[in-house]
Formats: sequence, structure tokens, C-alpha cells
Amino acid sequence: KQEVTQIPAALSVPEGENLVLNCSFTDSAIYNLQWFRQDPGKGLTSLLLIQSSQREQTSGRLNASLDKSSGRSTLYIAASQPGDSATYLCASDQTGANNLFFGTGTRLTVIP
Amino acid sequence: EAEVAQSPRYKITEKSQAVAFWCDPISGHATLYWYRQILGQGPELLVQFQDESVVDDSQLPKDRFSAERLKGVDSTLKIQPAELGDSAMYLCASSSTTGGYEKLFFGSGTQLSVL
Repeated sequence: KQEVTQIPAALSVPEGENLVLNCSFTDSAIYNLQWFRQDPGKGLTSLLLIQSSQREQTSGRLNASLDKSSGRSTLYIAASQPGDSATYLCASDQTGANNLFFGTGTRLTVIP
Repeated sequence: EAEVAQSPRYKITEKSQAVAFWCDPISGHATLYWYRQILGQGPELLVQFQDESVVDDSQLPKDRFSAERLKGVDSTLKIQPAELGDSAMYLCASSSTTGGYEKLFFGSGTQLSVL
């Protein structure tokens, strides 16, 4: 069974700083890798999806990369803002059917 | 913007009681998912529907959990009897094909507390 790990569990940064969130997975035979944002007590919002054939995806200040051979993905957030404060979860999809294996998330706090 | 609707928002029940959660996906989304998220963990898929048919319920504890999507639109997830370990956030999601892949849209969830 796929295991997804996210380190660190929590991260605090001052506003304006660039930061990287890490995600690792044990089974490299993935269909895609997805990043989500979750605000306290709320559902998840899809941020980025990287297909297994891709190396990275970008959306605004967010850039996600994928290295299947090493079982790693990173989410880069540029020029962080207080509104970026949330928990960020990565998830692997093994088949393309959205049966996702989630990590436990990184709780990000951006300090004004 | 269309959203996945879930109710109730919060539910407190005693163990051994029955509880039910409701989900209305975004109109036109054929695929519907129920996930369970225990505090401090990532969500775990319980059941996936394609229209009214169950596609995957391999992780659904079928001795106490049931799910249905009778007309292929809204869905109900039931627990009977509830146990203390069922306390969690129950998230519903639906998906549509966007840019060649199935993008997930989540509701705000039902927070269940079993006392």
C-alpha cells in the first residue's frame, strides 16, 4: 500500500519569504501527484496536479515538482502571504481513478 | 461558483446510535466520493460512485457503514451503530474532467463527534 509522508508537520515563516514543502511516497508507480490546501475546519481545495509524465506544474506563485524515481514531490510557494496560512496536503493517485493516498499535511503559518 | 453541499455541518451522537450524512455534488458531476479524515491525518477514501453504481468501497467498514446514491445525484452515508473511533470529519467530493484529468471538488464536510 502506498505511504505518503510530508515533512515538516508544521512550518512558520515571515511574510514575503519563499518556502518549500516536501512530500515523499513509497510506490513510484503513480498516475499523478496532487497538492491540496485545507483551511481549518473546511474541505480541501485542489491546487496543482502533476501527471506521472510531467516534471512540474505552475499556478501563480505556486510551483510543484515531481521526481518519480526518488519518490518525491515539492511545492514551492513564492513571496508568501498571510492568506497562504493553511494545511497543505499532497496525495498520490495510483490508477487515475482519484483513489488518493494522502499525506498527513504540513501546517503553514505566514507571519505578517 | 458551484459547490459541493454537505449537511449537517456538525453532528454529535452517542455511541451505538445511528447517524446519516448527506451530500449534493456539483451539478453534472458523475463521480462522487466519500472520504473520512481523522484529526491530524490525511483523508482516506471510503466509497466512490460513478453515477448510481459503487466503483470502489474496499475501505468501507461494511458491517456498520452504508452508502447510497439512488438516482445518481445526491448521496447519503450512514453509520449504524456509531463507535467512538468514528469521530472524524466526513468529506464528500465530486469530480469533473478538466484539462484531461478528473479534478476533485470537496465540500466543507460533516464533523462527527461520538460520545
